[in-house]
Amino acid sequence: DVKVTQSSRYLVKRTGEKVFLECVQDMDHENMFWYRQDPGLGLRLIYFSYDVKMKEKGDIPEGYSVSREKKERFSLILESASTNQTSMYLCASSFEGPYEQYFGPGTRLTVT
Amino acid sequence: DAKTTQPPSMDCAEGRAANLPCNHSTISGNEYVYWYRQIHSQGPQYIIHGLKNNETNEMASLIITEDRKSSTLILPHATLRDTAVYYCIVRTLTTSGTYKYIFGTGTRLKVLA
Repeated sequence: DVKVTQSSRYLVKRTGEKVFLECVQDMDHENMFWYRQDPGLGLRLIYFSYDVKMKEKGDIPEGYSVSREKKERFSLILESASTNQTSMYLCASSFEGPYEQYFGPGTRLTVT
Repeated sequence: DAKTTQPPSMDCAEGRAANLPCNHSTISGNEYVYWYRQIHSQGPQYIIHGLKNNETNEMASLIITEDRKSSTLILPHATLRDTAVYYCIVRTLTTSGTYKYIFGTGTRLKVLA
């Protein structure tokens, strides 16, 4: 079975803190994705990566950055967390090409 | 980018077929329709996908209209464990050649005993 794991299920941070969300997949997938999920808005793509050290902006990249130094790991970084970044963050991965994405369980981040 | 429109909620009696509609009137010719579901507190789970033809697997059937402007996900015999939010998604190609999903807001399906 494909496993996509995220470093924390719940996280509480203060405004202005630097926040790292980690995602690891064990299926040698080329592509990895970060989404945020908010009530009434569904899932929105923040960033994705199609290879090590390669990244592309999604639909809502403002306030976020990403890092992919190894194929299996994709990090989402909030340089200076703000209250409007309180959300559920979901990571996903897939093979290159027309293949389905596999999602992790999500990290519920609260910024106070 | 193509967008999808789904009803916000639906109920279905246990054992009956659940038919979940989706509109994607701006879909392009090479964009696939995917369906996922999300059970509370979990990540979305893949169900099925299609381009033009109807598709069936062990979980569900997908009916796509001839003009491809809408589709219906059918769960043939809904159980209580099918209670979830169902997302209709258009898969599109980015400038880097990666496929990305455009999610709708989903339909909350409640299966009633």
